[in-house]
Amino acid sequence: EAAVTQSPRSKVAVTGGKVTLSCHQTNNHDYMYWYRQDTGHGLRLIHYSYVADSTEKGDIPDGYKASRPSQENFSLILELASLSQTAVYFCASSDPTGEGYEQYFGPGTRLTVL
Amino acid sequence: QQKVQQSPESLSVPEGGMASFNCTSSDRNFQYFWWYRQHSGEGPKALMSIFSDGDKKEGRFTAHLNKASLHVSLHIRDSQPSDSALYFCAARSYGGSGNKLIFGTGTLLSVKP
Repeated sequence: EAAVTQSPRSKVAVTGGKVTLSCHQTNNHDYMYWYRQDTGHGLRLIHYSYVADSTEKGDIPDGYKASRPSQENFSLILELASLSQTAVYFCASSDPTGEGYEQYFGPGTRLTVL
Repeated sequence: QQKVQQSPESLSVPEGGMASFNCTSSDRNFQYFWWYRQHSGEGPKALMSIFSDGDKKEGRFTAHLNKASLHVSLHIRDSQPSDSALYFCAARSYGGSGNKLIFGTGTLLSVKP
């Protein structure tokens, strides 16, 4: 079964600090995604990537950067963390050759910005 | 503006009962639909997909799609306490770049023993 792991699983950060969330997949998938989940908003796409060394903006990219140094790894970077970025963050991967492009999600990272 | 609307926000059914979820899209480009389920403390996991008009049945789960009305539904018969979770509808446009999915806000299901 497809495997996506995230680290850390939870993090407390201070306002204005830098935060890096990491994601690793062993699915050999080309596509990777970062979402945030907030109560009442479902899952919203922040950044995505379809090839190493390239990233694309999603629907809510402001305040976030992404990095895809290899096919397996995809990072989300908050250069200046703010209170509004407190949320649960999910990474996902998908295979463009699979039917319907099912996305496989990691277990999430709970980020609290104080 | 949310392009994928889900209802209800929450739902409580007795064990063995039927749970039903609804999802409506506001974008006619959306041609592919998924239902995802998320148990507390976990990441979402794909439950089933539906791409053609009509019904699709997988065990206790039945999805229905009506592309003309941009409406998709999910029905769970013989609901079990283990079905208690957050259910998301997700839509993807045909030929959309990046294989992006647009998620609804979710329906929280509670199955009471």
